[in-house]
Amino acid sequence: DAKTTQPPSMDCAEGRAANLPCNHSTISGNEYVYWYRQIHSQGPQYIIHGLKNNETNEMASLIITEDRKSSTLILPHATLRDTAVYYCIVGRGGGSNYKLTFGKGTLLTVNP
Amino acid sequence: NAGVTQTPKFRILKIGQSMTLQCTQDMNHNYMYWYRQDPGMGLKLIYYSVGAGITDKGEVPNGYNVSRSTTEDFPLRLELAAPSQTSVYFCASSPQGAGVYEQYFGPGTRLTVT
Repeated sequence: DAKTTQPPSMDCAEGRAANLPCNHSTISGNEYVYWYRQIHSQGPQYIIHGLKNNETNEMASLIITEDRKSSTLILPHATLRDTAVYYCIVGRGGGSNYKLTFGKGTLLTVNP
Repeated sequence: NAGVTQTPKFRILKIGQSMTLQCTQDMNHNYMYWYRQDPGMGLKLIYYSVGAGITDKGEVPNGYNVSRSTTEDFPLRLELAAPSQTSVYFCASSPQGAGVYEQYFGPGTRLTVT
């Protein structure tokens, strides 16, 4: 699976949009981009995933560049409860490859 | 639905002792996983299962064993506990097919081996 690079930490003001970047320059054509987050001491939580089109759900938006070498997770109106470690993961969807590889992620701190 | 449940929440073991970490899911997911997370690190896959009776090794299987006799349960067995197994253990499950990467995690078991 392709590796990902994320900044170790970011800050965001409450109520503002949080934009979390991820580089995955070695991504292959059949690999998806997945985002998870882990609030302190809890199990990771699935947020969103995409292949090449931008995606939006009730939690966040995912913007993938046209060359697919990077992506941005957007939390449109960050709250204090969004403070967490955010993981960007690249992997093949479905089939026989279903193992997530978690890196160190980005610690997002939402400040009041 | 309760989702993925894990017991116990906390446990302290002495070196050489054994224990079983329990994991149950009520979402009828075929796929289940065990991860460990050391302080300040990401998760590492220990074992996984694609259905009852089928298990396979992940990235860090040494010192652990699993079984999957039912769809709901996926216990993780630690034999001869060592300090290196001090970690937080997460169980997860996912549906079959395209949704396999949407993994649902339990609350974790914090294990200390002294």
